Amino acid sequence: QQQVKQSPQSLIVQKGGISIINCAYENTAFDYFPWYQQFPGKGPALLIAIRPDVSEKKEGRFTISFNKSAKQFSLHIMDSQPGDSATYFCAARWELSSGTYKYIFGTGTRLKVLA
Amino acid sequence: ETGVTQSPTHLIKTRGQQVTLRCSSQSGHNTVSWYQQALGQGPQFIFQYYREEENGRGNFPPRFSGLQFPNYSSELNVNALELDDSALYLCASSPGLAGLAYEQYFGPGTRLTVT
Repeated sequence: QQQVKQSPQSLIVQKGGISIINCAYENTAFDYFPWYQQFPGKGPALLIAIRPDVSEKKEGRFTISFNKSAKQFSLHIMDSQPGDSATYFCAARWELSSGTYKYIFGTGTRLKVLA
Repeated sequence: ETGVTQSPTHLIKTRGQQVTLRCSSQSGHNTVSWYQQALGQGPQFIFQYYREEENGRGNFPPRFSGLQFPNYSSELNVNALELDDSALYLCASSPGLAGLAYEQYFGPGTRLTVT
């Protein structure tokens, strides 16, 4: 129930195309859903995040769509560029029994944008 | 303002040995979380430290332990290393407990190889 299922595992998109990565969860106690971008040899960097009371959030070329009833959320990268080639992780924040929070990560999507 | 730094970058240890990994949090951040990222997987939460005390723990055995110092830097110690401990270890700092909606910022990680 603490899992976040992410798909696809890998994605190849032409330059200028739209990249779409999907995540699904079961635990309705999750209260915050960030997306991270990770380049080889680097730590994950926050890209964009959304709360479950919002259905969509857009920042530049990146958009999160959130479907609370379906327990699904997705990342859309518009006008994909070769520089977007990286691994993307969705995550969900969950409260520990101690009253603090931890993040549950998806398994990642390796995106390659062809020039 | 400097970001999160970790040392060493890479480390090779033998099964049964002990290892200490270090993290310097971003200036002004008093909360540090540690994650284990196996190859091809998302980060897995190990534990979190807030003002020098462990404030939450994931599903990791007691041979994974940590410390946080008065300057909010942190150490991750792993005893009796096993082959499955080979992974990228990530440190993330935030300016407050995640429950206060503060985002976490990741360091570049330490790549540990156990042979």
